[in-house]
Amino acid sequence: AQSVTQPDIHITVSEGASLELRCNYSYGATPYLFWYVQSPGQGLQLLLKYFSGDTLVQGIKGFEAEFKRSQSSFNLRKPSVHWSDAAEYFCAAGVMEYGNKLVFGAGTILRVKS
Amino acid sequence: DSGVTQTPKHLITATGQRVTLRCSPRSGDLSVYWYQQSLDQGLQFLIQYYNGEERAKGNILERFSAQQFPDLHSELNLSSLELGDSALYFCASSPDYWDPEQYFGPGTRLTVT
Repeated sequence: AQSVTQPDIHITVSEGASLELRCNYSYGATPYLFWYVQSPGQGLQLLLKYFSGDTLVQGIKGFEAEFKRSQSSFNLRKPSVHWSDAAEYFCAAGVMEYGNKLVFGAGTILRVKS
Repeated sequence: DSGVTQTPKHLITATGQRVTLRCSPRSGDLSVYWYQQSLDQGLQFLIQYYNGEERAKGNILERFSAQQFPDLHSELNLSSLELGDSALYFCASSPDYWDPEQYFGPGTRLTVT
């Protein structure tokens, strides 16, 4: 079955430190991959996406993600975290078959300490 | 602001009742998706409509139904509500059937008491 795994439920980093959020997927073929961010009480904002091509993708707010086919991973990174980055982050995947549904990971809650 | 609007923002109702959630996609988008976000199930795909026709179904209960109207807005109907239906319901839209990128609305928070 198609699945997306985010192994870390919570992560705490210091402001200014680097960040890496992990995401692994299980699909028969390489899916489209996304990272979304959700602030408390808010909707989902797309940070970045991977469809094909360059495996290092840049997104908004200084985030980037690297697709690694051999590891079925799509990890999100940021070199220097700001307090405003505290939120919940979701990795999602989809394939174009029988519709275009997204399968989401369970989410990772990022806490930033000053 | 994604351009997707959802009403109402909050909804509180009692068990056994029926509610309708409304979604207006971004201008020009033909595909609409509904997702449910709950504490125990996470974010789950419910259903997709494209230009008025149902195209994909996920973990949607039989008590739930949806439709997309000629003006492309969509409604999600939830009936015989149970406490476990309390969740945040998101609508998303994309330009066409095959566009993988979806734009999410702010969600409707449903509380069943």
